[in-house]
Amino acid sequence: GDSVTQMEGPVTLSEEAFLTINCTYTATGYPSLFWYVQYPGEGLQLLLKATKADDKGSNKGFEATYRKETTSFHLEKGSVQVSDSAVYFCALRGNTPLVFGKGTRLSVIA
Amino acid sequence: DGGITQSPKYLFRKEGQNVTLSCEQNLNHDAMYWYRQDPGQGLRLIYYSQIVNDFQKGDIAEGYSVSREKKESFPLTVTSAQKNPTAFYLCASSIEMTGSPLHFGNGTRLTVT
Repeated sequence: GDSVTQMEGPVTLSEEAFLTINCTYTATGYPSLFWYVQYPGEGLQLLLKATKADDKGSNKGFEATYRKETTSFHLEKGSVQVSDSAVYFCALRGNTPLVFGKGTRLSVIA
Repeated sequence: DGGITQSPKYLFRKEGQNVTLSCEQNLNHDAMYWYRQDPGQGLRLIYYSQIVNDFQKGDIAEGYSVSREKKESFPLTVTSAQKNPTAFYLCASSIEMTGSPLHFGNGTRLTVT
């Protein structure tokens, strides 16, 4: 079945550092790919998405490119802020409901 | 503003009691979902519903039940048969089943002692 693997955390960075959170997937067909963010005590919010190969999703300085050849959708941000501290989930949708990775906790320190 | 409302935010029950978690949406979405979140395990799908009066089991449906009598509402009952019910429960909805993103509620944290 479809699955998502993302790098385990926690990830701790200093403010203004570069962020990469790796995500790879296994799916049949051509799934849509998503990154969600969860702040403490809240539900998940959609951060960005890409629906076909080579699409780049972007939002709030975060970016991810749908790479079919490497089945990857890595999340990047050039300069993180303390307010980016949260748990980040990679997810895919094929013909089934959304499948999530296990999440990566990011802590950004001033 | 449109959104998904889960209530209550915190819920406490004694072991052996059934408990129902509420989920209401005013986004006019057809599909609704229940996920369970445990530390280090990400989100796991319990049940989902594509249309009114229809629902399917997800990956961990045992010990849970749902109903979908109205488009706006998708309550989840955690029964006494669920062996480890203490968790964070998230409800979500989407326009349709394939391709569209999910919109999430703020969750209900259930503690069973």
